[in-house]
Amino acid sequence: EVQVVESGGGLVQPGGSLRLSCAASGLTFRNFWMSWVRQAPGKGLEWVATINHDGFGKYYVDSVKGRFTISRDNANNSVYLQMNSLRAEDTALYFCAGGDLHYWGQGTMVTVSS
Amino acid sequence: QAGLTQPPSVSKGLRQTATLTCTGNSNNVGNQGAAWLQQHQGHPPEVLSYRNNDRPSGVSERFSASRSGNTASLTIAGLQPEDEADYYCSAWDTSLNIWVFGGGTKLAVL
Repeated sequence: EVQVVESGGGLVQPGGSLRLSCAASGLTFRNFWMSWVRQAPGKGLEWVATINHDGFGKYYVDSVKGRFTISRDNANNSVYLQMNSLRAEDTALYFCAGGDLHYWGQGTMVTVSS
Repeated sequence: QAGLTQPPSVSKGLRQTATLTCTGNSNNVGNQGAAWLQQHQGHPPEVLSYRNNDRPSGVSERFSASRSGNTASLTIAGLQPEDEADYYCSAWDTSLNIWVFGGGTKLAVL
């Protein structure tokens, strides 16, 4: 059974930073593209970033380019999202998703507020 | 980065059939197909259909996906109360190299 578990969310002031982590198991992690998708309270799903299987291909939604960085550690079956210069509009539940968005975690909440 | 187009809401009666639509363009839905996700309130999304319209194991046969041109469809037969949820489509855009989502359709089973 595939399991995806996110961690690292919390309350942060505008302009601050957070690093989200995602651990995946039950799949050959190094073969899978991994993504972060967020959902603001009461809103729909918004894709944030994707990293290809070897980590050399990284893709971002325009609103986070230059502020967020996605990375992965295939030895530890993990993917990360470094979030800098956080804004109020980044407040959302952040999901980690594997493959073609097949496998989802429960999400980790990020709140940006003073 | 425009998204896919879904109707905001659909209402159908118990045991009826609902068809949800998702319209993109030739760089996303028309090229790569669309996946369908179901999300119940307070829960993470679950995939109902892969981009090639196949169902993951464990997903009811009442859910079937198809595509015609730039529009993908999800048909839910024999609607049950537990089918009340938000449904999202997603596709990889090969021109922009991004995932695009629809805004979601809230399905009400009356």
